[in-house]
Amino acid sequence: SQQGEEDPQALSIQEGENATMNCSYKTSINNLQWYRQNSGRGLVHLILIRSNEREKHSGRLRVTLDTSKKSSSLLITASRAADTASYFCAPAAGAGGTSYGKLTFGQGTILTVHP
Amino acid sequence: SAVISQKPSRDICQRGTSLTIQCQVDSQVTMMFWYRQQPGQSLTLIATANQGSEATYESGFVIDKFPISRPNLTFSTLTVSNMSPEDSSIYLCSVDQAGGETQYFGPGTRLLVL
Repeated sequence: SQQGEEDPQALSIQEGENATMNCSYKTSINNLQWYRQNSGRGLVHLILIRSNEREKHSGRLRVTLDTSKKSSSLLITASRAADTASYFCAPAAGAGGTSYGKLTFGQGTILTVHP
Repeated sequence: SAVISQKPSRDICQRGTSLTIQCQVDSQVTMMFWYRQQPGQSLTLIATANQGSEATYESGFVIDKFPISRPNLTFSTLTVSNMSPEDSSIYLCSVDQAGGETQYFGPGTRLLVL
């Protein structure tokens, strides 16, 4: 299975600022997913980027993928206090782009957005 | 995306007892999974719940401790047996959708074992 490692471990910013989180992984992937977890609750799926894509947008989220560097980044623009959460990346290398459940999570980035 | 519910949302249990957690999906899915998140830790896959056959467990997890049922394509249960304080965790179920590319998670069950 493939594990993503998020960086930084913790990020503290003011409301309105942008937040950038990075993810690195070790082997080839078919896609990479980003999740958010609020205060020990369930994971919310944010965005999926495929290995043949370089950038995707969803609202205030922008995800990039650099397969040559085996890294991805998640940018949250104009952050809000409600964005305070832990963020995880999950690279998937399953055949046909499926994860087959083999999502191995790193420790995540804890984002705190101060009002 | 699939709507996933879990019951109970939280529970406090005594050591030596067992708790069964239910996961219900609003649509038929092929793959259902169970994860554990210990306090302050990341998520670890416990097993894949297979419909009509035994679950497939990851290294470090055994059926006697975590029996799983998957009677149909929308429902699964995970039992945490003979609990100890070390089993205090959040337990999450997830499903594969969108052609198997995207995995969605339930809201989790927060378990505290005294």
